[in-house]
Amino acid sequence: DAGITQSPRYKITETGRQVTLMCHQTWSHSYMFWYRQDLGHGLRLIYYSAAADITDKGEVPDGYVVSRSKTENFPLTLESATRSQTSVYFCASSESGDSTDTQYFGPGTRLTVL
Amino acid sequence: QKEVEQNSGPLSVPEGAIASLNCTYSDRGSQSFFWYRQYSGKSPELIMSIYSNGDKEDGRFTAQLNKASQYVSLLIRDSQPSDSATYLCAVRATPGYSSASKIIFGSGTRLSIRP
Repeated sequence: DAGITQSPRYKITETGRQVTLMCHQTWSHSYMFWYRQDLGHGLRLIYYSAAADITDKGEVPDGYVVSRSKTENFPLTLESATRSQTSVYFCASSESGDSTDTQYFGPGTRLTVL
Repeated sequence: QKEVEQNSGPLSVPEGAIASLNCTYSDRGSQSFFWYRQYSGKSPELIMSIYSNGDKEDGRFTAQLNKASQYVSLLIRDSQPSDSATYLCAVRATPGYSSASKIIFGSGTRLSIRP
């Protein structure tokens, strides 16, 4: 009954390192999303997934990689972290792609790239 | 032009008054509109959704949609200090697999309720 969780909640890394942010949901929602939130930009979609093994780019996908081998997990990997990727990352899920469907957000991961 | 625009604020409203938050969007075919509340350091939480023109009321909250003007608003009656937060307007793009379920967020309006 945890809903949607993210780990770690806080992460500090160095430029050039690979970082993976985890997202897990217990609702069996079909859709999952990764957003980043930066001051002045609101929430921007990085990648989304309509189902296991189906992913698509959002507004700002460069520098990120996703996978979805299981419905409940949607990890986001920064292959070579840059300072511009310092942000708060939110994972979200929704039951379907219907126009009235609601997205539910995880607690967020605050990532700092030094 | 941003797809979803909001005044960043801060909007300061006295306790007990009506807070009015506004949002405009550029995609005329948009079908679904949402208001999320986000407390500092927390994740967004959905407070209202609206899909057809007119008003939708839920407790102290009223969402208003005018598709002809591409305008959606949120009214908060009897504002409380606990309403102090950032309010994000979100619009769902027209359907189609490549854009299915993608929601475009505004950058948010910071609301402050002063005692």
